[in-house]
Amino acid sequence: DTAVSQTPKYLVTQMGNDKSIKCEQNLGHDTMYWYKQDSKKFLKIMFSYNNKELIINETVPNRFSPKSPDKAHLNLHINSLELGDSAVYFCASSQSAGEYEQYFGPGTRLTVT
Amino acid sequence: LAKTTQPISMDSYEGQEVNITCSHNNIATNDYITWYQQFPSQGPRFIIQGYKTKVTNEVASLFIPADRKSSTLSLPRVSLSDTAVYYCPVISSGSARQLTFGSGTQLTVLP
Repeated sequence: DTAVSQTPKYLVTQMGNDKSIKCEQNLGHDTMYWYKQDSKKFLKIMFSYNNKELIINETVPNRFSPKSPDKAHLNLHINSLELGDSAVYFCASSQSAGEYEQYFGPGTRLTVT
Repeated sequence: LAKTTQPISMDSYEGQEVNITCSHNNIATNDYITWYQQFPSQGPRFIIQGYKTKVTNEVASLFIPADRKSSTLSLPRVSLSDTAVYYCPVISSGSARQLTFGSGTQLTVLP
């Protein structure tokens, strides 16, 4: 069984559209994260939720809005997509906010045309 | 947040020991050093973490000098399947631990 899953795996859309990426973890972890990996392989944290509460909110355009309906899910909604939003988005989870080891999902490759 | 610097790429041959270095000059007192491995089209996978001196697990060793401004990941007897990108994110202290990734080192293991 997949520990951290994301849907969709690939997402191709046009500028100006609104899209969502879903993430689910079946590890029973309390903390979940969203990361963005650009074309140069830099991986940067965007958001983190602990028990459905936002605890990390990096400098990200407010077009990006995370939503955590429960501990096992963390979704990412993006409004008015721009070309620069093209990247691979990774969801991750950890046992708690203080854990060193994070478990990453397979990623969602977003291409904005 | 501590910024990390690594070589962009390195090559090795099967069966050799590989040492990948990471520089983290502005690491804070309570920060820990972690290493992650990423294969193409997959998310990063945790390998090892440490604070100082030497840490060893079943897949790798981590060497951290006393000043903690750098660290070295050692992979014994690499195989082709170890070809991947290796990151050394420093994890910040506090309740909201945050991994700060750099650009990683592309390790290519040759036959």
